[in-house]
Order: sequence, then structure tokens, then C-alpha cells
Amino acid sequence: GNSVTQMEGPVTLSEEAFLTINCTYTATGYPSLFWYVQYPGEGLQLLLKATKADDKGSNKGFEATYRKETTSFHLEKGSVQVSDSAVYFCALSDGDSGAGSYQLTFGKGTKLSVIP
Amino acid sequence: GAGVSQTPSNKVTEKGKYVELRCDPISGHTALYWYRQSLGQGPEFLIYFQGTGAADDSGLPNDRFFAVRPEGSVSTLKIQRTERGDSAVYLCASSLNADTQYFGPGTRLTVL
Repeated sequence: GNSVTQMEGPVTLSEEAFLTINCTYTATGYPSLFWYVQYPGEGLQLLLKATKADDKGSNKGFEATYRKETTSFHLEKGSVQVSDSAVYFCALSDGDSGAGSYQLTFGKGTKLSVIP
Repeated sequence: GAGVSQTPSNKVTEKGKYVELRCDPISGHTALYWYRQSLGQGPEFLIYFQGTGAADDSGLPNDRFFAVRPEGSVSTLKIQRTERGDSAVYLCASSLNADTQYFGPGTRLTVL
């Protein structure tokens, strides 16, 4: 079955530090890959996505590249801000669940705290 | 509406009671998903609707859980004989195309 493994948190960084959150996946097909973010007190929001190998998703200064050879989709940001403090979830969808479902399989989440 | 809405935002119930959780998807979105998020975990898939029909209910944990979407828009997740282990945040998401799902704020269910 499908699975997503992401680095354990919590992660604490100083403002303007470089961020990497590792994510690897196992899937039977050719999945689409996603990063979702959950800010304190808010719902899950799509941060970025990539639908095929070597695609790079980017948004709000965050980037992630779909690496089929290493089955990875690591999230990076060059300079984090206090406002980036949130829980980040890596997820995949392969559309291979039958009946047209594109259900998401999530990792456990990584809590990021950015301190001034 | 502008986004996916879910009601109630919080629900506290006693063990053994019946609860209903409501999801109002983005207008025009034909696909609707329910997920459950336990503390410290990522969301886990429960059920998927395409239009009015439950096309994939493989994630429902047991027969105490049931969901409907009678008119292809609003959906209700129903839990019978609630147990303490059902305590979690229940998330609803809707989508128009195959990939991007938009999530609601969730309903936090607490079973005492």
C-alpha cells in the first residue's frame, strides 16, 4: 500500500535560517505529491504540489522537487520567518484506489517553530 | 460558498451516543472526502463521494460509521454508539479535478 514518511519534529529554527523537511514515499503507481500546511487554529491548506517526476512545486518561497529515483519530495525554504511556524504535512495521491478516488495518504506531520 | 465549511466546530458527547457531523463543500465540487485526524497524526482517509454515491468507503473503521450525500452537495458523517477512541478531528475536503483537495476547518469530536 501507499505510505509517506516525513522527518520527526518538532523543528525549531531561528528567523532567516534555511529549512529542509524530508519526505519519502512508497506508492504502487505514479503519484502526485503535495505539501499541506496547518497554521495554528486553522485548517489544512495546500502549500504546493508536483504531479510528475522532476516537477518542482513552489509557493510562498517554499520549494519541493519530485524525485522519482529517490522517491522523495523534500520541502525547502531559504529563509524562514516567524509566520512560517506551523505543522507541515507531506502527502501523495495516486488515483489508484479504485472507483475514481484520489484519496490522500499523509505523513504524520512536522511541527516547525521559528523564533525571532 | 468561498470554502469548505463544517459544523459543528466542536462536539462533545458521551460514550454510546449518536453524532452527526456536517460538511458543506465548495459549490460545484463533485468529489467529497472525509478524513479523520488523531492527535499527533496526519489525516487518514475515511470515505469518498462522487456526486451522491459513496464510491469508496474502504477507510471507514467499522459499521458504526456511515456517511451520506443525498443531493450531491452537503454530506453528513454519522457515528453510532460512539466510543472514546472515536475522539479526533474529522476533516472534510472537496475537489473539482482529480488532484487538488480543499479542506474545511474540521470538527473536533470528543467522546467522554
